[in-house]
Amino acid sequence: DQQVKQNSPSLSVQEGRISILNCDYTNSMFDYFLWYKKYPAEGPTFLISISSIKDKNEDGRFTVFLNKSAKHLSLHIVPSQPGDSAVYFCAASLAGGTSYGKLTFGQGTILTVHP
Amino acid sequence: NAGVMQNPRHLVRRRGQEARLRCSPVKGHSHVYWYRQLPEEGLKFMVYLQKENIIDESGMPKERFSAEFPKEGPSILRIQQVVRGDSAAYFCASSPPQPGQPQHFGDGTRLSIL
Repeated sequence: DQQVKQNSPSLSVQEGRISILNCDYTNSMFDYFLWYKKYPAEGPTFLISISSIKDKNEDGRFTVFLNKSAKHLSLHIVPSQPGDSAVYFCAASLAGGTSYGKLTFGQGTILTVHP
Repeated sequence: NAGVMQNPRHLVRRRGQEARLRCSPVKGHSHVYWYRQLPEEGLKFMVYLQKENIIDESGMPKERFSAEFPKEGPSILRIQQVVRGDSAAYFCASSPPQPGQPQHFGDGTRLSIL
């Protein structure tokens, strides 16, 4: 039961252009969403998060948008840089109780930014 | 990676042996999580611990796997009688106790079973 889905296994973008990574979820109880970036042989690095009470959060070149009615979130990177080339994971967690810490991850999207 | 230290980075075991994976969280973080990543897949939650307590172990296989986070020392993920299917990257993450704080990950232990 894949509750968090990243339907694009890969994305290729030209340097300087916008990268848009998408993520869909099925569990309407999720209330906290995160994006992580991962290089080979390293652990995931936290990028940006958003609470379900918001629909947008921005941090430098990274912006996350949340559409609760569509159960969809996206990560925008602008402008894209070659160093952004990595695997990007979206993750979600549930509110309250003992489940709060458990993150449910998507399968990841490989982003390649060409010079 | 934000100070979460995992060791060893690589571990090779033969079928039937035991594997012990260690995780030291970021200083001040009291919550520890373990995730497993199989080849070509995303990370799957295994267990969530606080000091001396298991909070959520819904992702742990029922047999051979155990985890602890003692009052002193690192968190340990223990796999007894390893099988080939246990080969994976095991990641530990930690977070402070405040809600809504992101988890920070270590670089993982890559377990290979011969």
